[in-house]
Amino acid sequence: DTAVSQTPKYLVTQMGNDKSIKCEQNLGHDTMYWYKQDSKKFLKIMFSYNNKELIINETVPNRFSPKSPDKAHLNLHINSLELGDSAVYFCASSSLTGYNEQFFGPGTRLTVL
Amino acid sequence: GNSVTQMEGPVTLSEEAFLTINCTYTATGYPSLFWYVQYPGEGLQLLLKATKADDKGSNKGFEATYRKETTSFHLEKGSVQVSDSAVYFCALQTGANNLFFGTGTRLTVIP
Repeated sequence: DTAVSQTPKYLVTQMGNDKSIKCEQNLGHDTMYWYKQDSKKFLKIMFSYNNKELIINETVPNRFSPKSPDKAHLNLHINSLELGDSAVYFCASSSLTGYNEQFFGPGTRLTVL
Repeated sequence: GNSVTQMEGPVTLSEEAFLTINCTYTATGYPSLFWYVQYPGEGLQLLLKATKADDKGSNKGFEATYRKETTSFHLEKGSVQVSDSAVYFCALQTGANNLFFGTGTRLTVIP
């Protein structure tokens, strides 16, 4: 029973394309996140969603847009992909209240050619 | 602002050696502190945490103590194993569930 799942695991695409990465959590959490991990393993938060409301929006390009159809899903849409978007993208979830552990998905490795 | 500074890697140790990975932080308020581990090809897993000063987090033989006076949360293990080879991330969490990560330290343990 996977707690936080992401699809696809690998994504290879051409510059200029539009792609989506899906994330689902079955933990009943009310907050979900997207992180980007670059080639040097540096992790930076991109977005978080709580009850369909964006509560963190770091300085990411507006080509990236999170979409949450319901509390269990937070998908990441990327338009007009660029070489610099190549990275591993991690989804995570947690409870809103208190300092609760964030549970991470296995990651999606995006390669833009 | 909030930030985490970890010792630069990579770290290479022989099996059964003592491990220390240094982590210091800057934060507003009273953050919770975490160590996450990322095994090859996998996502991050919580290794241990401490939510207030002088708390000690421990798991799988790893320990870290929340030191407010030195703003540190160093990770230690008395005897590492090959299976401990991974990337270790120190992180702090403030209100609103914001997690701030250090740059990660890659540990390789050789037999």
